[in-house]
Amino acid sequence: GAVVSQHPSWVICKSGTSVKIECRSLDFQATTMFWYRQFPKQSLMLMATSNEGSKATYEQGVEKDKFLINHASLTLSTLTVTSAHPEDSSFYICSAQGQGVYTEAFFGQGTRLTVV
Amino acid sequence: GEDVEQSLFLSVREGDSSVINCTYTDSSSTYLYWYKQEPGAGLQLLTYIFSNMDMKQDQRLTVLLNKKDKHLSLRLADTPTGDSAIYFCAEFRGGYQKVTFGIGTKLQVIP
Repeated sequence: GAVVSQHPSWVICKSGTSVKIECRSLDFQATTMFWYRQFPKQSLMLMATSNEGSKATYEQGVEKDKFLINHASLTLSTLTVTSAHPEDSSFYICSAQGQGVYTEAFFGQGTRLTVV
Repeated sequence: GEDVEQSLFLSVREGDSSVINCTYTDSSSTYLYWYKQEPGAGLQLLTYIFSNMDMKQDQRLTVLLNKKDKHLSLRLADTPTGDSAIYFCAEFRGGYQKVTFGIGTKLQVIP
């Protein structure tokens, strides 16, 4: 199956700093990428959807100025958590989808962010 | 509505079959997925079924889809302890380009 690589797998940062998470599709072109957040013992919550070359669409309640998403190429999307706070500590997972309406999405391995 | 519902917990004995159930609400969903998540790890796609299918079998996995009742199930045969994980049901709504997940069912396989 298609491979989506997410980096880093885990990161610890100080409160107030920014953290960038990368999501790469290794063997296919991802026209759409999704970013999810997972709190402990909860399901994945979609944060935003990005299409290559255009601005991301954020779900209700997600601060677009805090969670900056860039999808500059067909193989790379980044999520930057700006001015991170301890409550931003979570598991962030990206998924990438190829062209076509009915194409399945493939997931990265996730990034564990801890803000201290 | 956009809810995908699953029971929270299932416990089975090693070697038995496990059946995890899911209900969804959007009849226009095109793909329905089952993902496995082990502790601290990302999601692993187990299998998926297209909405015009009733059943899909893949080795130990059997997926049944009742589109009329919007009910999806995943059966794991001869469950080993290594199957202990959280299993997420998800629906892909093509028109919205969006995947919606259930809360996940924690499967505990007892030796």
